[in-house]
Amino acid sequence: AQKITQTQPGMFVQEKEAVTLDCTYDTSDQSYGLFWYKQPSSGEMIFLIYQGSYDEQNATEGRYSLNFQKARKSANLVISASQLGDSAMYFCAINNAGNMLTFGGGTRLMVKP
Amino acid sequence: EPEVTQTPSHQVTQMGQEVILRCVPISNHLYFYWYRQILGQKVEFLVSFYNNEISEKSEIFDDQFSVERPDGSNFTLKIRSTKLEDSAMYFCASSPPDPISYNEQFFGPGTRLTVL
Repeated sequence: AQKITQTQPGMFVQEKEAVTLDCTYDTSDQSYGLFWYKQPSSGEMIFLIYQGSYDEQNATEGRYSLNFQKARKSANLVISASQLGDSAMYFCAINNAGNMLTFGGGTRLMVKP
Repeated sequence: EPEVTQTPSHQVTQMGQEVILRCVPISNHLYFYWYRQILGQKVEFLVSFYNNEISEKSEIFDDQFSVERPDGSNFTLKIRSTKLEDSAMYFCASSPPDPISYNEQFFGPGTRLTVL
């Protein structure tokens, strides 16, 4: 069984500053993928970034980067230069061999002007 | 940019009634999924579908649930006899056939189901 833990239920960040959202995972699979999704108040799930377990370099997508530490089983999301529109729920997820996604409980990020 | 669409956006039904939630995945995708999110909780996997059959399902996906791809574009989730605890947001997702990027799942906007 796979498990995702997000220990920060809510976080504040000042606009234009960077913020790190924590994610730790547990899996017995050798090959897996780690994902971050953003869910604004409107409810849709927006894919942000993906990291494969065999990728040696940390994934980056624009202002998003994934700090992947395999030995620690962590996959933290770093958002640089926060914007007001970044205020949302953020979910970390892991997939299994069958591509089923297991999600964490989420972190609510609030960006202060 | 192609996207997953879902209809209706909001469905209200009486307990015990059957509901069908509809999804149109991205056209060249081959893997399809349903997830649900009870209000304020995390997103939970229900079922995955590939090559016209279920490839994986969770404990939530009991005999009350079924999925179907009735034609080349639609992917449906049916709940035969709804219960109050089925009230949730239901997300459809799809993945491309590329074996390198198949992991990436694109989510639809969701259908909010309310069971009274």
